[in-house]
Amino acid sequence: DAGVTQSPTHLIKTRGQHVTLRCSPISGHKSVSWYQQVLGQGPQFIFQYYEKEERGRGNFPDRFSARQFPNYSSELNVNALLLGDSALYLCASSLEVRLNTEAFFGQGTRLTVV
Amino acid sequence: GESVGLHLPTLSVQEGDNSIINCAYSNSASDYFIWYKQESGKGPQFIIDIRSNMDKRQGQRVTVLLNKTVKHLSLQIAATQPGDSAVYFCAEMMGAGKSTFGDGTTLTVKP
Repeated sequence: DAGVTQSPTHLIKTRGQHVTLRCSPISGHKSVSWYQQVLGQGPQFIFQYYEKEERGRGNFPDRFSARQFPNYSSELNVNALLLGDSALYLCASSLEVRLNTEAFFGQGTRLTVV
Repeated sequence: GESVGLHLPTLSVQEGDNSIINCAYSNSASDYFIWYKQESGKGPQFIIDIRSNMDKRQGQRVTVLLNKTVKHLSLQIAATQPGDSAVYFCAEMMGAGKSTFGDGTTLTVKP
């Protein structure tokens, strides 16, 4: 069975550009969460989507947005990129949103803003 | 009195020794905690979890201890192996897929 898949694996963008990152959850999983992991730190929660609705949002500016599609895949969009947006962006999927439901992480997309 | 383990950003142990990784959490109302292992170039991987109504839980070679009084978690790894080398994070879980991660500890196992 395929795990959580993210694309692209790496990309380089210029300040001011926008970027779209993609995530395909494990088959049957209906919840997708996005995290930002700056080098040397733990992942920081950005968004959670469940059944195509936003179920949670972390402390990130409005330049960050996301959506979930009918097939439960998800996109994370970041506008007006800043150098500080350089990070590993992780996607996690889970069957549902109950507290003790295990979340599985993808390998992430490494974004470099220059 | 009981001492609170210090969070160390790095820990180096000899292969075969036991490892103890400490973590302090912030929200006294947190009900569920997870330890993750993150290897280089990979996303975090679930190791073990514990609910706030427990103070100890054991898995294969790993044990998690929870002290709610001082808001402290520890992960004990028995007979540490080179494959255990990674960054370890504790996380407070607010819902499936919605976690607050602590500062990581980089574990290096010397052969």
